[in-house]
Amino acid sequence: AQSVSQHNHHVILSEAASLELGCNYSYGGTVNLFWYVQYPGQHLQLLLKYFSGDPLVKGIKGFEAEFIKSKFSFNLRKPSVQWSDTAEYFCASSGGSGNTGKLIFGQGTTLQVKP
Amino acid sequence: GAGVSQSPSNKVTEKGKDVELRCDPISGHTALYWYRQSLGQGLEFLIYFQGNSAPDKSGLPSDRFSAERTGGSVSTLTIQRTQQEDSAVYLCASSFHVGNQPQHFGDGTRLSIL
Repeated sequence: AQSVSQHNHHVILSEAASLELGCNYSYGGTVNLFWYVQYPGQHLQLLLKYFSGDPLVKGIKGFEAEFIKSKFSFNLRKPSVQWSDTAEYFCASSGGSGNTGKLIFGQGTTLQVKP
Repeated sequence: GAGVSQSPSNKVTEKGKDVELRCDPISGHTALYWYRQSLGQGLEFLIYFQGNSAPDKSGLPSDRFSAERTGGSVSTLTIQRTQQEDSAVYLCASSFHVGNQPQHFGDGTRLSIL
């Protein structure tokens, strides 16, 4: 069965610091990978997605993620965070035989950016 | 509106009562997904619809949970004889097709069982 794990549960950074959130997935076949963000009081929004092709994926708001197949990883990065990046971040995967699109989520990482 | 709409936004009910949660997907989206977000379990898949049929109900936690979708649009998730462990935020998402399509999420229904 597919699973996704996020190693950092709670991250606290100062503004302008660099960010990297870890994500590992378990499925060995064709997999689609996503990062979603949930700002306080808002719904889940898609930051970026990887289906195939260039393993370095650029998303909205300056975020990027790198798919490293050999490490089963899809870490999220941002060179310089802002206070407005304070939110909860979820890594998710879908795929496998008869891909239904159903998402398997990691436990989430709460990011707190101090001004 | 252009997004996924869920109602009610909050629901408080007594243990043992039945509840019905509604999801109105983005117009034209054929795939609809239900998830549950709770403190202990994180975000879990419940069920998905392709049109009006539900090929994958594997995430429904018990037979007290059921869902239907009519007319390829609105979906309702019903929980019978609610228990305290059903307390969670129930999220609905839709996408244009199943498979390689990003899902758009609603604001969720926060369900509290007293």
